[in-house]
Amino acid sequence: KAGVTQTPRYLIKTRGQQVTLSCSPISGHRSVSWYQQTPGQGLQFLFEYFSETQRNKGNFPGRFSGRQFSNSRSEMNVSTLELGDSALYLCASSLDRGGYNSPLHFGNGTRLTVT
Amino acid sequence: AQTVTQSQPEMSVQEAETVTLSCTYDTSESNYYLFWYKQPPSRQMILVIRQEAYKQQNATENRFSVNFQKAAKSFSLKISDSQLGDTAMYFCAFMTSGGGADGLTFGKGTHLIIQP
Repeated sequence: KAGVTQTPRYLIKTRGQQVTLSCSPISGHRSVSWYQQTPGQGLQFLFEYFSETQRNKGNFPGRFSGRQFSNSRSEMNVSTLELGDSALYLCASSLDRGGYNSPLHFGNGTRLTVT
Repeated sequence: AQTVTQSQPEMSVQEAETVTLSCTYDTSESNYYLFWYKQPPSRQMILVIRQEAYKQQNATENRFSVNFQKAAKSFSLKISDSQLGDTAMYFCAFMTSGGGADGLTFGKGTHLIIQP
């Protein structure tokens, strides 16, 4: 079974631009979660999508948004990029919501650099 | 809000030795889940072991075991017979059982280096 696939692996953007990251979950998984990883703040929860609906959201500004499609693939969008948005963005999928009864499977991440 | 603290930024041991990584957490919840994740240089987070707070028995997965002390809010990871492939960042993580509304709360991580 293919793992969680995130594209692209690396991305360089300029301040003020917007960016879209993509995540394809493991086949059959219905929940997709996104995390931001930075050296200063560590790993922080962005949001979780289940059955095309955002179920939970972390403490991030409205510039961070996402969606999930009927095939469970998810996209994350960041508008009006700031230097502080430079980070590794990790996507994780699980069979069910939450990731505690069915474990989270992570992708390799997208490394976003904002200049 | 929950917090997870890993007090050891970096640890180094010789191959085949046993090493213990520390983790403490703070929560007012009574039902929750605790996890240890490994992140090698490939960047992919890999689940090492999980523990349900309502279970008193410590979880074990092959060479990996935990010491879960609920009253002390402590959740340490023991790696026995350490191998070079165990070199990675290790993150302790917490999740409430109520639908995981805040997702996983991670500690800052411990960089474990296994020396040949």
